[in-house]
Amino acid sequence: AQSVSQHNHHVILSEAASLELGCNYSYGGTVNLFWYVQYPGQHLQLLLKYFSGDPLVKGIKGFEAEFIKSKFSFNLRKPSVQWSDTAEYFCAVNTNAGKSTFGDGTTLTVKP
Amino acid sequence: DAGVIQSPRHEVTEMGQEVTLRCKPISGHDYLFWYRQTMMRGLELLIYFNNNVPIDDSGMPEDRFSAKMPNASFSTLKIQPSEPRDSAVYFCASSSNRDPQETQYFGPGTRLLVL
Repeated sequence: AQSVSQHNHHVILSEAASLELGCNYSYGGTVNLFWYVQYPGQHLQLLLKYFSGDPLVKGIKGFEAEFIKSKFSFNLRKPSVQWSDTAEYFCAVNTNAGKSTFGDGTTLTVKP
Repeated sequence: DAGVIQSPRHEVTEMGQEVTLRCKPISGHDYLFWYRQTMMRGLELLIYFNNNVPIDDSGMPEDRFSAKMPNASFSTLKIQPSEPRDSAVYFCASSSNRDPQETQYFGPGTRLLVL
C-alpha cells in the first residue's frame, strides 16, 4: 500500500524567507503527485500536481515542486514566502486506482 | 461549474442525535470521497465511491457511520447516534477517471460539533 510522509509538522518562517516542505512517498509504480493547501477556515485547494514530463512543476502563487523519482520525493518550494501563505499544506499520492493517499500535513506560519 | 457542494456548512447537535451530511459532486465526476479532519488525527479518508458503488469503507470508524450514494449527483454521510468525539470537519471530494491525474476537488466542508 502507498504511504506519504511529510517531514515537518509545523514550520515557522519570517516573511521573505525561502520555503521547502518535504514529502516522501512509498510506492514502486507510476504515481501522480499533488500538493494541496488549506488556508485557515477554508477547504483544501489544489496548489500543483505532477503527472509526467518535466519533474519541476510550477503551481499557483509562486510555488513549485520537484519530483525526484530516485528519492521518492516531491518537495514543495517557494523562494520568498508571504504572510498570506500561512496555511496547512498536504502532499498526496495517487496511483491511478481512484484513491489518493494524503500526508499528515505541514502547518506553515509566516511571521509578518 | 459550481464545484463540489456540501450541506450544511455548519451543524451543532446534541449527543445521541442523528446527523446527515450531504454532498453533490462535480457533474460528470465518477469518484466521490468522504474525509474527516480533526486536529488530533489530521485528514482521514472514511469511504469512497466509484460510479455510485462503495469501493473502500475501511476508514469508517464504526457502525454508527454509514454512507450512501443513490445516484451520480448525490451522497450522504450519516452518523447515528452522534457522539462528541465525532466533532470534526467533514469534507467531500470528487474526481474523474477521465482526468489521468485524477485530481480531487474538495467541497467547503461541514463543520460538525456534537455537544
